Amino acid sequence: DVKVTQSSRYLVKRTGEKVFLECVQDMDHENMFWYRQDPGLGLRLIYFSYDVKMKEKGDIPEGYSVSREKKERFSLILESASTNQTSMYLCASTEGQVGDYGYTFGSGTRLTVV
Amino acid sequence: GENVEQHPSTLSVQEGDSAVIKCTYSDSASNYFPWYKQELGKGPQLIIDIRSNVGEKKDQRIAVTLNKTAKHFSLHITETQPEDSAVYFCAASTNTGGFKTIFGAGTRLFVKA
Repeated sequence: DVKVTQSSRYLVKRTGEKVFLECVQDMDHENMFWYRQDPGLGLRLIYFSYDVKMKEKGDIPEGYSVSREKKERFSLILESASTNQTSMYLCASTEGQVGDYGYTFGSGTRLTVV
Repeated sequence: GENVEQHPSTLSVQEGDSAVIKCTYSDSASNYFPWYKQELGKGPQLIIDIRSNVGEKKDQRIAVTLNKTAKHFSLHITETQPEDSAVYFCAASTNTGGFKTIFGAGTRLFVKA
């Protein structure tokens, strides 16, 4: 069964900490994405990557960065965590050209910044 | 900006009844329309999708229809079961002039046994 695996289900971090969220897919997909999901705001795209070492900003990239050193792994980095980054973070991947196919999502990481 | 409106936000049906969720999109360049089901504590799961050159697609109890002229697409679930209870999201996607996928706000479906 194809999978997108997020390393943590729940995380609690302190304000100002540097936070790493890891995502691995086993489907050899070209494209990987980071979304955050908030009640009333739906899913918002933070960053995506269509190839190793390539990245593109999404709709809300401020306060975040990403790293894709290997095809199967896409990391989201919160440079200095703030309370307004408390959210559910979803990683996803797709094959082919970006936008042509549906996402396979991970189970999510619920991050709380205190 | 471009958006996708999804209705209703909450839907409650009796087991065995049908459920219909509707979405309207604004970007005429959208050409791919997936639907996702999200159960509690899980990530969204793709359940069905349709492309702009098709008007209807069916997979067992689930069907999706697309009206490109009106920029509407709908999810139809027949013979609903309690395990259909979840949040459903529509999305409209394009890669013309740059990639963009816009999600609807979601519909919480309750199926009462």
